[in-house]
Amino acid sequence: DAMVIQNPRYQVTQFGKPVTLSCSQTLNHNVMYWYQQKSSQAPKLLFHYYDKDFNNEADTPDNFQSRRPNTSFCFLDIRSPGLGDAAMYLCATSRPGTGGEKLFFGSGTQLSVL
Amino acid sequence: ELKVEQNPLFLSMQEGKNYTIYCNYSTTSDRLYWYRQDPGKSLESLFVLLSNGAVKQEGRLMASLDTKARLSTLHITAAVHDLSATYFCAVDAANFGNEKLTFGTGTRLTIIP
Repeated sequence: DAMVIQNPRYQVTQFGKPVTLSCSQTLNHNVMYWYQQKSSQAPKLLFHYYDKDFNNEADTPDNFQSRRPNTSFCFLDIRSPGLGDAAMYLCATSRPGTGGEKLFFGSGTQLSVL
Repeated sequence: ELKVEQNPLFLSMQEGKNYTIYCNYSTTSDRLYWYRQDPGKSLESLFVLLSNGAVKQEGRLMASLDTKARLSTLHITAAVHDLSATYFCAVDAANFGNEKLTFGTGTRLTIIP
C-alpha cells in the first residue's frame, strides 16, 4: 500500500550529538512536511518542501535542517540536540491542487535526548 | 499570525452522551481539517471541510464549518469508549492549496463507561 514511512520509530541520542530522522513516501506527493510535537501539545510545523523548494518557518531554530534528495525521501537533521528537542517528529505529505486533500502522516519518530 | 483555539481542552463524558468540540480560528480560511490522535501514535485524518456550510459525518462523529464565524464544530453522538483520544482541528494557513496547517490546541476526550 502507498504510504508515508518514518524510520526509526524511536530514536535516542545524546545531548549535542547530531541525529538524522528519515521519511519516505510512495504516494508521489510533491509536498513533504516536518512537524514537531512535544508532549501534550499540538504539532508545530518546522518546514516543508514544495518539490525542491525549501520553506522554513520563521521560528524554526537554526539547529534544525532538512534535505530532500528526491521526491520520495526527506530527512530532518538536528545538528546539536538539546533536552528541549525531545519530541515526536511527524512527517507528512500532500499533493496540492487535488481539491484540498488531507495531509498523509507517517507513524512518527519519538526522539529522546539524554 | 494565525491562531487556532479549541475548547474544551479536556472533556470527560459518559458513554451514550452527546457533546460538541469547538474550533475557532483567527484568519480567513475555507479549509479546515479534523484529526484524531491516540497516545503515542500519529495523526489520523477524520474530516476535510472545504467550504462554508460544509458538513461531514462518519459514524458517531459529525463535523461542520462556518467560515463567516471562523468556527468549526465536531459533534459526538452517543459516545462510546473507542472514541477516547485527542482531537485536533487544523486550518490551512496558506489558504492557496498548499495545505500548510496550523493545528489547534487539541481536545483530550475521555469516555467513561
